[in-house]
Amino acid sequence: EPEVTQTPSHQVTQMGQEVILRCVPISNHLYFYWYRQILGQKVEFLVSFYNNEISEKSEIFDDQFSVERPDGSNFTLKIRSTKLEDSAMYFCATTELGWGTDTQYFGPGTRLTVL
Amino acid sequence: DAKTTQPTSMDCAEGRAANLPCNHSTISGNEYVYWYRQIHSQGPQYIIHGLKNNETNEMASLIITEDRKSSTLILPHATLRDTAVYYCIVRVQGYALNFGKGTSLLVTP
Repeated sequence: EPEVTQTPSHQVTQMGQEVILRCVPISNHLYFYWYRQILGQKVEFLVSFYNNEISEKSEIFDDQFSVERPDGSNFTLKIRSTKLEDSAMYFCATTELGWGTDTQYFGPGTRLTVL
Repeated sequence: DAKTTQPTSMDCAEGRAANLPCNHSTISGNEYVYWYRQIHSQGPQYIIHGLKNNETNEMASLIITEDRKSSTLILPHATLRDTAVYYCIVRVQGYALNFGKGTSLLVTP
């Protein structure tokens, strides 16, 4: 069964450093999402991306964050200058369609630790 | 998205059916009911979704009341591996999932 994959599984970084989290969507999926989950808290929506544009974003997704699809396979989330409070699990989700039956399938996540 | 209300936690004996309730009294006509679960800190796993009719797949059944104000997720024969946090989410297609705190289901031997 096709799966969403994410790399790295765990990233440790120093405060102020840039990090890039990568996601490989299921092959025919065109709509992509990033969510995060701070330890012990709810899963929170960050951003959705379709046709090389941001479709929707939350207030968490500020100027420190950016997303892109640099090639035909990867979908990335960049945090320009990490803060301690960015420590969380980051989940990528993808779906085949933006409308109609558009079930989101999640990757295993990247654990980001900011020191 | 309409808000949902779920019990904080539930227990279920292994082999028995687990029935997880969800209230969504302010649901709109174009909003679907989705169920996901999360085991430890793994990525949320899709279980099932529906609009008006009851649905069944290999994992679970979803029963939606006629007025659509509540629903029940049924795991017919719970196993220890079904221990997880279960999220009931109401959403319009094409938009983000709004996760609440969910129901922590503990399946006991």
